[in-house]
Amino acid sequence: DTGVSQNPRHKITKRGQNVTFRCDPISEHNRLYWYRQTLGQGPEFLTYFQNEAQLEKSRLLSDRFSAERPKGSFSTLEIQRTEQGDSAMYLCASSLNPVGTGELFFGEGSRLTVL
Amino acid sequence: KNEVEQSPQNLTAQEGEFITINCSYSVGISALHWLQQHPGGGIVSLFMLSSGKKKHGRLIATINIQEKHSSLHITASHPRDSAVYICAVSLGNQFYFGTGTSLTVIP
Repeated sequence: DTGVSQNPRHKITKRGQNVTFRCDPISEHNRLYWYRQTLGQGPEFLTYFQNEAQLEKSRLLSDRFSAERPKGSFSTLEIQRTEQGDSAMYLCASSLNPVGTGELFFGEGSRLTVL
Repeated sequence: KNEVEQSPQNLTAQEGEFITINCSYSVGISALHWLQQHPGGGIVSLFMLSSGKKKHGRLIATINIQEKHSSLHITASHPRDSAVYICAVSLGNQFYFGTGTSLTVIP
């Protein structure tokens, strides 16, 4: 499978715990995006990487959230001291070309439930 | 106000019906995208267009740049078309997403 891969697919955790999600984009894609989606809503932008550089972060991304893409390949999204409001689907997407000219390919998402 | 508005929010159709989902946007865009999301989360890109019309199988997408409006049509709808259809626009390095239209096609 050469698509965007995310894991884990589901994570249930207790409030206050840390969680980490991983995204493996399509191998030649230099752009990687993280989105958060709650029920009945469209994806909300969290952050964006071009290669290993994190170029943009949403105001939605509090200090408890951190994302990395150390070698410009896979990326991780860590949420520290989780809160119930963090419960959502976390989507990763990758693209080869500038956004206006290339398609965005999504992973299956990582669903987080904070109890 | 969301940059991208979709209508309707929910749509139920009988198998075989012609379906139209509408998308209006309020910003200048590089391109407009129609996406399909099935239960469980995965999102698939259906179309990317910046002018005119595109067709793929039973799906047709149109865009009117002057009116900042796009439509997604499904001809001869089938229960397997049941999904959430999301309109998104790209501008700069960003995507802006609508909240989606939940389509249910009844056999």
